Amino acid sequence: GQQLNQSPQSMFIQEGEDVSMNCTSSSIFNTWLWYKQDPGEGPVLLIALYKAGELTSNGRLTAQFGITRKDSFLNISASIPSDVGIYFCAGQLRTGGTASKLTFGTGTRLQVTL
Amino acid sequence: DSGVTQTPKHLITATGQRVTLRCSPRSGDLSVYWYQQSLDQGLQFLIQYYNGEERAKGNILERFSAQQFPDLHSELNLSSLELGDSALYFCASSVDGNTQYFGPGTRLTVL
Repeated sequence: GQQLNQSPQSMFIQEGEDVSMNCTSSSIFNTWLWYKQDPGEGPVLLIALYKAGELTSNGRLTAQFGITRKDSFLNISASIPSDVGIYFCAGQLRTGGTASKLTFGTGTRLQVTL
Repeated sequence: DSGVTQTPKHLITATGQRVTLRCSPRSGDLSVYWYQQSLDQGLQFLIQYYNGEERAKGNILERFSAQQFPDLHSELNLSSLELGDSALYFCASSVDGNTQYFGPGTRLTVL
């Protein structure tokens, strides 16, 4: 199945540092979403982006919907230990009426040290 | 807590068997989605139901089927199970078709 290209694959950073990750696609999407997943748990929605060029924040998290509609970026400022986890981007394509599906990125594993 | 519930949390079964996974969406959400997460394929969309009707289909095997009931809960049926079907299965729901909220998942192990 298709997966979006997400980078970096993993990051090992110190507490207090800023983090950036991005996601690219060969096709356009109507919506970009960012999720965080802890081991054995379901993905938790962090930020949703609905328009090309949109920049949205949620606390220390900021995400942008790329102008080309084929990419998105997530930044985490002043990282803390509880930011540890796997971050997934997801592109949503509305296929008509109420039909829709998410295509997920390959994930970025974030580890934070004190 | 996303408001989406899934049962069971864990399921261990043998090859060739059939299992049913259950999902209750968030209150008010008409859309239910099923996803499979495996180590080699990542998170993959399987199927979407909206108010009882199938709306979108992904890479769902013919051995797998789903339905959504009048009370909006959904079931994913997996039959003739193979070792490769071992994975986490997630249900998600949405009210507007734009943002999807995921349940805690069912971990299926096929021995």
